[in-house]
Amino acid sequence: EDKVVQSPLSLVVHEGDTVTLNCSYEVTNFRSLLWYKQEKKAPTFLFMLTSSGIEKKSGRLSSILDKKELFSILNITATQTGDSAVYLCAVDEVEYGNKLVFGAGTILRVKS
Amino acid sequence: SQTIHQWPATLVQPVGSPLSLECTVEGTSNPNLYWYRQAAGRGLQLLFYSVGIGQISSEVPQNLSASRPQDRQFILSSKKLLLSDSGFYLCAWSPRGLDNSPLHFGNGTRLTVT
Repeated sequence: EDKVVQSPLSLVVHEGDTVTLNCSYEVTNFRSLLWYKQEKKAPTFLFMLTSSGIEKKSGRLSSILDKKELFSILNITATQTGDSAVYLCAVDEVEYGNKLVFGAGTILRVKS
Repeated sequence: SQTIHQWPATLVQPVGSPLSLECTVEGTSNPNLYWYRQAAGRGLQLLFYSVGIGQISSEVPQNLSASRPQDRQFILSSKKLLLSDSGFYLCAWSPRGLDNSPLHFGNGTRLTVT
């Protein structure tokens, strides 16, 4: 069974649109939830969320966590073509070694 | 600043041939090191992680093995590749002792087994 489920699997929008990406999880000893952006090669870190209801923001990107309902959303406002990427959600469990469990990702394509 | 290097970037190998992928980290000591594999259209699957020299934990049974001969070097190997070993292999590191910290990834190796 998948512990981390992302939706939608893929999304095509036009520049200027706002998008919301979803991530739900089911783990025993939750420690944190992380969002990554993957373009061609290495996933790059976006946010780490540990507390419910506290929004993390970086430019046009923001994210929030709901630990009661076990999900997180990643919002991107005023999308640009450079936002086209795979967005990965991962959950870290309280366990030795800081191991992340990843979802399958959401493929975002922003058309000009 | 810390950097992570992986090589080669791409690799095409025949079935049954051996494999060796290398990953090194600079600018930090005693890192946790990880090997992940990403199949097409799938998320990242953790293969191995290491918290120190010679200390390797395997997450899934498979045709691969890992070794950590030096503190900042992590090697992924296979004696005989299978078609199912094709994929995108990513090495990552995180600071030791800071369990709640993000992983930092290398640029990956795209392996095609023919």
